[in-house]
Amino acid sequence: EVQLVESGGGLVQPGRSLRLSCTTSRFTFGDYGMSWVRQAPGKGLEWLGFIRSKPYGGTTEYAASVKGRFTISRDDSKSIAYLQMNSLETEDTAIYYCTRDSSGGGWYPEAFDIWGQGTMVTVSS
Amino acid sequence: SSELTQDPAVSVALGQTVRITCQGDSLRSYYASWYQQKPGQAPVIVIYNKNNRPSGIPDRFSGSSSGNTASLTITGAQAEDEADYYCCSRDSSGKNLVFGGGTKLTVL
Repeated sequence: EVQLVESGGGLVQPGRSLRLSCTTSRFTFGDYGMSWVRQAPGKGLEWLGFIRSKPYGGTTEYAASVKGRFTISRDDSKSIAYLQMNSLETEDTAIYYCTRDSSGGGWYPEAFDIWGQGTMVTVSS
Repeated sequence: SSELTQDPAVSVALGQTVRITCQGDSLRSYYASWYQQKPGQAPVIVIYNKNNRPSGIPDRFSGSSSGNTASLTITGAQAEDEADYYCCSRDSSGKNLVFGGGTKLTVL
């Protein structure tokens, strides 16, 4: 069974940084674009950003709300995607989900066919 | 505010048909995908590329689109379909994805 497992969440003070990891298994990670999605407590889903597969340059796209603060990267040798979050704000408190793109590789994200279980990030002093 | 608009709540009688809608200008150009989320669980994709169902999703779920509106239809709603449903599609730039605000479906 295809699996995505997020880790790295926890309690962090405002202004600090945190890096989340998404460890994947049972599919060819390098063939897929990956996205991160978050959900604040009691709120809806918010797409954060996307990283293309290496055949498409491995480059990234970000939502305006996090551009410049959040960075997505990937290590195809380990089948892991990362979300680096800097200058965290209390409004960043949420469950963070790693997702696989349904189209496989591609220039832009299409849909999210596999989701991890999520990791909780709490930003508070 | 989201570029995709959904009704906050919809209800349906057990066994009846319900349509959940999603409105946005980008839907004139791009397909919507739909996600089901039950309390305390990660979302699950139920429809992508307008009307494709992943394996394991019951055929009572279907998608359609007309103009600036995408729809998720559940034909013969079951108790286990009670959940939050989110639509998702490209934004006005065409590069990014955006979610609708979500619709809470109650099965009576």
